[in-house]
Amino acid sequence: DGGITQSPKYLFRKEGQNVTLSCEQNLNHDAMYWYRQDPGQGLRLIYYSQIVNDFQKGDIAEGYSVSREKKESFPLTVTSAQKNPTAFYLCASSTPRTGEQYFGPGTRLTVT
Amino acid sequence: GNSVTQMEGPVTLSEEAFLTINCTYTATGYPSLFWYVQYPGEGLQLLLKATKADDKGSNKGFEATYRKETTSFHLEKGSVQVSDSAVYFCALKGSRGSTLGRLYFGRGTQLTVWP
Repeated sequence: DGGITQSPKYLFRKEGQNVTLSCEQNLNHDAMYWYRQDPGQGLRLIYYSQIVNDFQKGDIAEGYSVSREKKESFPLTVTSAQKNPTAFYLCASSTPRTGEQYFGPGTRLTVT
Repeated sequence: GNSVTQMEGPVTLSEEAFLTINCTYTATGYPSLFWYVQYPGEGLQLLLKATKADDKGSNKGFEATYRKETTSFHLEKGSVQVSDSAVYFCALKGSRGSTLGRLYFGRGTQLTVWP
């Protein structure tokens, strides 16, 4: 089945550690996105990539980094510079033709 | 710039009641509009969409009409069920320049339906 996978579903880290969240899609979509979701704040865009080897900062990129070496993969690293990393992280992908974004199941990151 | 404003929740209804969740937008160009639904602990699923003025999107008994004159895309359902309990997000797709392809989301509206 085609879709987007994010792993793991739950992730726990100690403060000061970098952590990488995985996002893989087999939909052959060109564009991929990372969002952060906090209670009562909706979705905020962290980074997005329209094509392999290219990506742009979203609205809250500070303390995060990404890479896009393959069309299928768009990993997100939450660095120790991110002041409040505990959140629910959602990955999405889309095609230019429709603009519809398809979402993965999310990773809940807890940093203590 | 692009932005979406949707009614704040939570919204609590009895089963079979009529649902309206208001959504208004600000956009440059001619955006496409979407409603997404999120069930607890899951990602977002596309519920319906409309790509031009006066289009009506519909799915699973939900409807929304793209109203350019009022810059609105209100979500409606005639008779809600307990299984409709979820968070609903209104979104628009940027149509120009650096915003092309980006989705701009409202803050979400929590709907709870009681039997």
